Amino acid sequence: AQKVTQAQTEISVVEKEDVTLDCVYETRDTTYYLFWYKQPPSGELVFLIRRNSFDEQNEISGRYSWNFQKSTSSFNFTITASQVVDSAVYFCALTGGYQGAQKLVFGQGTRLTINP
Amino acid sequence: DSGVTQTPKHLITATGQRVTLRCSPRSGDLSVYWYQQSLDQGLQFLIQYYNGEERAKGNILERFSAQQFPDLHSELNLSSLELGDSALYFCASSVPKGSSGRSSYNEQFFGPGTRLTVL
Repeated sequence: AQKVTQAQTEISVVEKEDVTLDCVYETRDTTYYLFWYKQPPSGELVFLIRRNSFDEQNEISGRYSWNFQKSTSSFNFTITASQVVDSAVYFCALTGGYQGAQKLVFGQGTRLTINP
Repeated sequence: DSGVTQTPKHLITATGQRVTLRCSPRSGDLSVYWYQQSLDQGLQFLIQYYNGEERAKGNILERFSAQQFPDLHSELNLSSLELGDSALYFCASSVPKGSSGRSSYNEQFFGPGTRLTVL
């Protein structure tokens, strides 16, 4: 069975601090995909990144960066120089999925609050 | 805007009632997924349809049912509602027409959700 664990339920930091959101996953699939989604107070789910199991390169997009380590089954997300607009709930998700049946398994989410 | 629409945006109803949530996938997408986000269960997969047929089932209660119509829109029916059914229900679509549906990954695009409140 697949499982995603986000051990940090809530994080609160002051603006401009760096913050890392942890994600640990479990899967028996050899091919799988990992995701991060952002859910702002308005409620919609905003896709941030997708990473497949064969690509362990870290990725940076502006102030966002992701560290994928297969050896520790982790896919952590770092926000550099956080801003108030980064306040949201962040979800890590996993899918294996073959032949078009690719349900997403989500972690419990981390509520991030950036204080001015 | 993901291109996935869900109606209604908000729904308030009483216990024991039945409601229908509607989802229109992105133009050309064949697959529809339903997810439920509740305070106690988090975000969890309910059911998937692909081109009118059920493809995968998750933790969907027997009181809930779904279908996908020939025009590819989908409806999620919730009956005998209980207080615990109050949640945000998301629909997502993927797999454009013309693809086999068997590629390595098909991106899921989420709708804005329907917030159901059962009183």
